[in-house]
Amino acid sequence: DSGVTQTPKHLITATGQRVTLRCSPRSGDLSVYWYQQSLDQGLQFLIQYYNGEERAKGNILERFSAQQFPDLHSELNLSSLELGDSALYFCASSVDTRDAASTDTQYFGPGTRLTVL
Amino acid sequence: AQTVTQSQPEMSVQEAETVTLSCTYDTSESDYYLFWYKQPPSRQMILVIRQEAYKQQNATENRFSVNFQKAAKSFSLKISDSQLGDAAMYFCAYARGADGLTFGKGTHLIIQP
Repeated sequence: DSGVTQTPKHLITATGQRVTLRCSPRSGDLSVYWYQQSLDQGLQFLIQYYNGEERAKGNILERFSAQQFPDLHSELNLSSLELGDSALYFCASSVDTRDAASTDTQYFGPGTRLTVL
Repeated sequence: AQTVTQSQPEMSVQEAETVTLSCTYDTSESDYYLFWYKQPPSRQMILVIRQEAYKQQNATENRFSVNFQKAAKSFSLKISDSQLGDAAMYFCAYARGADGLTFGKGTHLIIQP
């Protein structure tokens, strides 16, 4: 158990709908990362938040957005869902030092499996 | 942009034997970090080992060790005394600073009893 929690475990929805995935980081971790794992694209970094602020952006679609709340939990919002958005969505957290040259180890949650029908 | 390449989609090894998984990467940076993550059938991503590029010494974690060749941009994972529980997808990953991880496509490791 990494200490990172994600809800829900599974989500089934229809095309065009909107869903919210939730992540709680490990105690003491300030950074949250979101990743998408699909058969087509593999594991892709979507976005990172540090202490409530967006810090880095990867291959995140405009239909997707995220935020990190004062209690440090994070939500990933996916809207206008398409069949191709079906994937396993991971959240990871790290302590995150203030040193921009350093990289802290990321610990992953169990993931949310999204199925778009 | 950084890329990570795992050229072995699948590897098979006998239980108790040693296996090496390959990984190469492309970057113009001199300071970065490399990781191996394991993803068993449960789909949980589990950190196996981490290497800082500025360290010449290869990282080791019990039966897991790496061969880090910075000039060749190579980062292979050696698993000694393979166990049935080692069966999983193994992902090599690169990161620098606060950026997210860049993953390879993975190597599926099969352990033959």
